[in-house]
Amino acid sequence: GAGVSQTPSNKVTEKGKYVELRCDPISGHTALYWYRQSLGQGPEFLIYFQGTGAADDSGLPNDRFFAVRPEGSVSTLKIQRTERGDSAVYLCASSVGTQETQYFGPGTRLLVL
Amino acid sequence: AQSVTQPDIHITVSEGASLELRCNYSYGATPYLFWYVQSPGQGLQLLLKYFSGDTLVQGIKGFEAEFKRSQSSFNLRKPSVHWSDAAEYFCAAASGGSYIPTFGRGTSLIVHP
Repeated sequence: GAGVSQTPSNKVTEKGKYVELRCDPISGHTALYWYRQSLGQGPEFLIYFQGTGAADDSGLPNDRFFAVRPEGSVSTLKIQRTERGDSAVYLCASSVGTQETQYFGPGTRLLVL
Repeated sequence: AQSVTQPDIHITVSEGASLELRCNYSYGATPYLFWYVQSPGQGLQLLLKYFSGDTLVQGIKGFEAEFKRSQSSFNLRKPSVHWSDAAEYFCAAASGGSYIPTFGRGTSLIVHP
């Protein structure tokens, strides 16, 4: 079956703009995770959903970042008033349950000019 | 603070040679431990994981890792490296009750023919 997909694969925006990044998890996976990977670093946890609700959003860096998963499937990560420091690869992962292996998407590369 | 350290930023080996990638963790109790591989343009893929039990863990693609409590280490090994193993390798750990991993900064594996 299809893996985790993320769109767009690349996004270039200007400082101060709003962006939305989309994640389509593997069908039937109830847990969904967002990570951010800066150049030369490992992924850093942002938020995770169990079903429709955000079970842990402790990794969101500030209130410019927000994520939703309204129907318990597709999730959107929203970044307001983007800053150059937001430039990174945003990774999404999903798993059958929170104790199961996470399957990662290819990521969205965000560049803020 | 909980952390994962991968002391080697780059490792270069010849094809057919053995490989060991180092990983140390700093956690209050023994965490869950993972190794992931990230190839260019690909999503992170889980190689293996340790939750409990046998300290020598077998993974995919011929990799294994050994958990050593006394050294707070979880080193990744492969007896004979193939050119296709060239990639970025990430060690990760999650504290008990949370399956959200903290990643190390990664080790880039370069394979010479």
